[in-house]
Amino acid sequence: QKEVEQNSGPLSVPEGAIASLNCTYSDRGSQSFFWYRQYSGKSPELIMSIYSNGDKEDGRFTAQLNKASQYVSLLIRDSQPSDSATYLCAVKTSRGSTLGRLYFGRGTQLTVWP
Amino acid sequence: AAGVIQSPRHLIKEKRETATLKCYPIPRHDTVYWYQQGPGQDPQFLISFYEKMQSDKGSIPDRFSAQQFSDYHSELNMSSLELGDSALYFCASNMGRVETQYFGPGTRLLVL
Repeated sequence: QKEVEQNSGPLSVPEGAIASLNCTYSDRGSQSFFWYRQYSGKSPELIMSIYSNGDKEDGRFTAQLNKASQYVSLLIRDSQPSDSATYLCAVKTSRGSTLGRLYFGRGTQLTVWP
Repeated sequence: AAGVIQSPRHLIKEKRETATLKCYPIPRHDTVYWYQQGPGQDPQFLISFYEKMQSDKGSIPDRFSAQQFSDYHSELNMSSLELGDSALYFCASNMGRVETQYFGPGTRLLVL
């Protein structure tokens, strides 16, 4: 089982809609969670980080964390064609020997059509 | 703002050759991480360094080695290259291992 699982997608939404991306993780002690956006052939770009249960909003992006359910999500409101990319969920685990490394999900490919 | 710098950006090698990838972290960042991303795959952690010491080791082949120098830049040395080593190699950096990791633009390695 992978440390981080994402809904596989691909996800296709019309411009202006809400895109919902989901992620679950296996290490219950994990404390740090990140969403990265990656365009094809480019490096991951940080979109959001979240550390506490609840919602965290930044512009059109909202990250949601539920540690009891080991679930992280990313909502993109008013989706734009420029949001079309692969979204990677990443988790930093709590295990001492692996403290710091990120575990990534396989990514969800989002397409926003005009 | 300064970002992570990686060089070279593209590299073509033959099988069994060696390659050296370089990473220059964001100023004042003391931790460097290396990730490998194969085609259509998620990034896989290879190795990390904190204050010039290896801090964690992931799925890095024995043919690969890495180090962090006194100026905090890092080099990933890859020997006896195989076709399967063709991938994007990302370096990321942060401060003190507990902050967000910022990724460099990557080195695209093609092994023929």
